[in-house]
Amino acid sequence: AQSVAQPEDQVNVAEGNPLTVKCTYSVSGNPYLFWYVQYPNRGLQFLLKYITGDNLVKGSYGFEAEFNKSQTSFHLKKPSALVSDSALYFCAVLYTNAGKSTFGDGTTLTVKP
Amino acid sequence: DTGVSQDPRHKITKRGQNVTFRCDPISEHNRLYWYRQTLGQGPEFLTYFQNEAQLEKSRLLSDRFSAERPKGSFSTLEIQRTEQGDSAMYLCASSLNSGGSGYGYTFGSGTRLTVV
Repeated sequence: AQSVAQPEDQVNVAEGNPLTVKCTYSVSGNPYLFWYVQYPNRGLQFLLKYITGDNLVKGSYGFEAEFNKSQTSFHLKKPSALVSDSALYFCAVLYTNAGKSTFGDGTTLTVKP
Repeated sequence: DTGVSQDPRHKITKRGQNVTFRCDPISEHNRLYWYRQTLGQGPEFLTYFQNEAQLEKSRLLSDRFSAERPKGSFSTLEIQRTEQGDSAMYLCASSLNSGGSGYGYTFGSGTRLTVV
């Protein structure tokens, strides 16, 4: 069964510092991996995805994520955090033989000025 | 297209009553999903459609829950004889095929259900 884990409930960083939000997934077939962001009172928004090819993928708002097959991880990163990046972030996995995505429990990112 | 629309945004109901939620997906999207989200948890899969066909239903979904997508356009999710444990945010999402070739899922803002 497909599953995804976000080991940190909360991540706190200072503005201007690099940030990392962690995600690991279970190995079963070929995964498609996604990051979504949820702002208060808003729906989840697509940030970026990994399908195949280059392990480093770039997405919206300066975010990027690195796919690591040996560690079964897909960590979200940003070189310099902004206060406006504060939100709830979800990692999701979709296997090509499955019909739907499975989401992690989310990580709350707080960027302090 | 204005994205995925869900109606109502909020619903308060008494235990035992029936409720129905509506979702209007992006018109070009052939897949439509229903998820449920509770505080501190990620979206939990309920069911999904490809066009008008319901292809999968979560085992967590009791017989009190039913979903339809007539004509492959909008969808409704009905909960009969609501219980307090049904209180949650109900999310609808749509995608073109699995979402892998495009921009993943497009989510609506959700319907928050409170059962009192």
